[in-house]
Amino acid sequence: DVKVTQSSRYLVKRTGEKVFLECVQDMDHENMFWYRQDPGLGLRLIYFSYDVKMKEKGDIPEGYSVSREKKERFSLILESASTNQTSMYLCASSYRDTRSQKLFFGSGTQLSVL
Amino acid sequence: DQQVKQNSPSLSVQEGRISILNCDYTNSMFDYFLWYKKYPAEGPTFLISISSIKDKNEDGRFTVFLNKSAKHLSLHIVPSQPGDSAVYFCAAIHPNTDKLIFGTGTRLQVFP
Repeated sequence: DVKVTQSSRYLVKRTGEKVFLECVQDMDHENMFWYRQDPGLGLRLIYFSYDVKMKEKGDIPEGYSVSREKKERFSLILESASTNQTSMYLCASSYRDTRSQKLFFGSGTQLSVL
Repeated sequence: DQQVKQNSPSLSVQEGRISILNCDYTNSMFDYFLWYKKYPAEGPTFLISISSIKDKNEDGRFTVFLNKSAKHLSLHIVPSQPGDSAVYFCAAIHPNTDKLIFGTGTRLQVFP
């Protein structure tokens, strides 16, 4: 069974803190993605990676960075958390065949920034 | 600017009847479309897809229709079951970027 694991289901952080969200996949997928889900806005792409040590900005990269040191792990970093980054964060992975783009998602991390 | 739109935030359907979820897009370059289903406290899961060279794709109770001239696609679920109650997202792929662009989602509730 395919598996994308996000390290935390719920996180509460304070404004200004540095936050790490971790994601691990066990399917040997080349592609990995970070989305955030907000009511009325759907899923928006923050960053993605098609290979180790490679990263590309998505549609809303401001205030975020990522790290992909190993193929199976993709980390999202909030350098200085702000209240408008309170959201559900979803990690996903897929095979290199981007035409089909069947993403496999983790269960999500609900982040609250106070 | 929202390139993929789901104008109905919610839909309520009786068990056994047809559910029709709609999705509109603005960019005629999109060439591949997908539907994902999301239950509470879970990540979205892939449901069905369609290439722009087709106008229909069927998988069991689920059928997706694509009308390229109207830039519109729809997901039909027949017959609807209570287990279909979830949020449904449509998504589109732009051939130049290969990025997946999601709609805002429609919450489907199937009642007995």
